Amino acid sequence: KQEVTQIPAALSVPEGENLVLNCSFTDSAIYNLQWFRQDPGKGLTSLLLIQSSQREQTSGRLNASLDKSSGRSTLYIAASQPGDSATYLCAVFLDAGNMLTFGGGTRLMVKP
Amino acid sequence: EAQVTQNPRYLITVTGKKLTVTCSQNMNHEYMSWYRQDPGLGLRQIYYSMNVEVTDKGDVPEGYKVSRKEKRNFPLILESPSPNQTSLYFCASSGLGEGKTQYFGPGTRLLVL
Repeated sequence: KQEVTQIPAALSVPEGENLVLNCSFTDSAIYNLQWFRQDPGKGLTSLLLIQSSQREQTSGRLNASLDKSSGRSTLYIAASQPGDSATYLCAVFLDAGNMLTFGGGTRLMVKP
Repeated sequence: EAQVTQNPRYLITVTGKKLTVTCSQNMNHEYMSWYRQDPGLGLRQIYYSMNVEVTDKGDVPEGYKVSRKEKRNFPLILESPSPNQTSLYFCASSGLGEGKTQYFGPGTRLLVL
């Protein structure tokens, strides 16, 4: 069974800092990996999706990388802002199935 | 506007009283699914559907039913709710031709007394 782990569980940084969020998964036979943002009490907003054949995706200040062989993905946030404060979740689809498995999330606080 | 809608957004009910949470998407997506989110347990998949009349269990299907009679709708049914089903529920959809990018609804907060 696929297991997805996110480290750290919580992170507090000063505004302007570049930061990296980590996601690891146990089964490397994935179809894709998706990063989401969730604000308190709200739904999930898709940030980036990386197909299994891709190595990275970029959107604005966000860059996500994927290393299937080692079972890892990272989300890089450049020049962090207080508005980036939220919980960030990664989720993977396995090749062989249609179930989506989520990590526990990283709760990020960016202080002004 | 492309979106996934859920109703109701908030619901308080009592043990054993059947309820249905509706989910609808306007993107002609084949894939739809339901999740529950609980503190310390994260998001877990309840059921998913690959297309009309095709549904399958996720990680935590016990106590839930679903149906997919139309492509746009995927209701979640709790036939006899219990307090351990108190949770935040999300519906999501994706088009199989879009690399399975998931689009989430706003969530339904359920309290079972």
